[in-house]
Amino acid sequence: EVQLVESGGGLIQPGGSLRLSCVDSGFTVRNNYMSWVRQAPGKGLEWVSLIKTDDGTYYADSVKGRFTISRDNSKNTLYLQMNSLRVEDTAVYYCARGLSGGRCCHFDSWGQGTVVTVSS
Amino acid sequence: DIQMTQSPSTLSASVGDRVTITCRASQSIVTWLAWYQQKSGKAPKLLIYEASSLESGVPSRFSGSGSGTEFTLTISSLQPDDFATYYCQQYNSFWTFGQGTKVEIK
Repeated sequence: EVQLVESGGGLIQPGGSLRLSCVDSGFTVRNNYMSWVRQAPGKGLEWVSLIKTDDGTYYADSVKGRFTISRDNSKNTLYLQMNSLRVEDTAVYYCARGLSGGRCCHFDSWGQGTVVTVSS
Repeated sequence: DIQMTQSPSTLSASVGDRVTITCRASQSIVTWLAWYQQKSGKAPKLLIYEASSLESGVPSRFSGSGSGTEFTLTISSLQPDDFATYYCQQYNSFWTFGQGTKVEIK
């Protein structure tokens, strides 16, 4: 069973940095498409970033140049390095597994989320 | 960028009602569309992928249809557990979610 667990969220001042982690004991991270999706308080879902099985990376325009997605296969861990954080980055951040049945991806397994609050 | 627009934003319904939610794409996404259910404080749950394929374990009262730019999610007989917010998501070109439809008790 896929069980994704995020960590690393917290309260950070504007301009600061955080690194989120997502781990699954079932080796999901190393073998799959993986993504980060966020949800601002009271708002809808927003796709943030995705890493493909060939390690190609993709970013939403709102975070491009500030966020970096990566994974450490030896630790079966997905990361999201977030730099130059803004108040509008405040959200619950979910990691999710992407499945491709001809086109990448719909997201079939999600973590419980980690809260990032950017505030002075 | 492909924009996804859901309607309605809020839907009031009773247990046993047939419920339909619409999702429109700003350009053709063929059938590369998924539907998710999210309850307050919880992670989203995949219901439908590739416009009409039911995810394993999801009750058969949920169904999806459509292609191109117009899609629907139908709940054939609304159950108490179905009161939640529903999102569509396209994956034809990058990944975009609709703004959500909240299904509330009438």
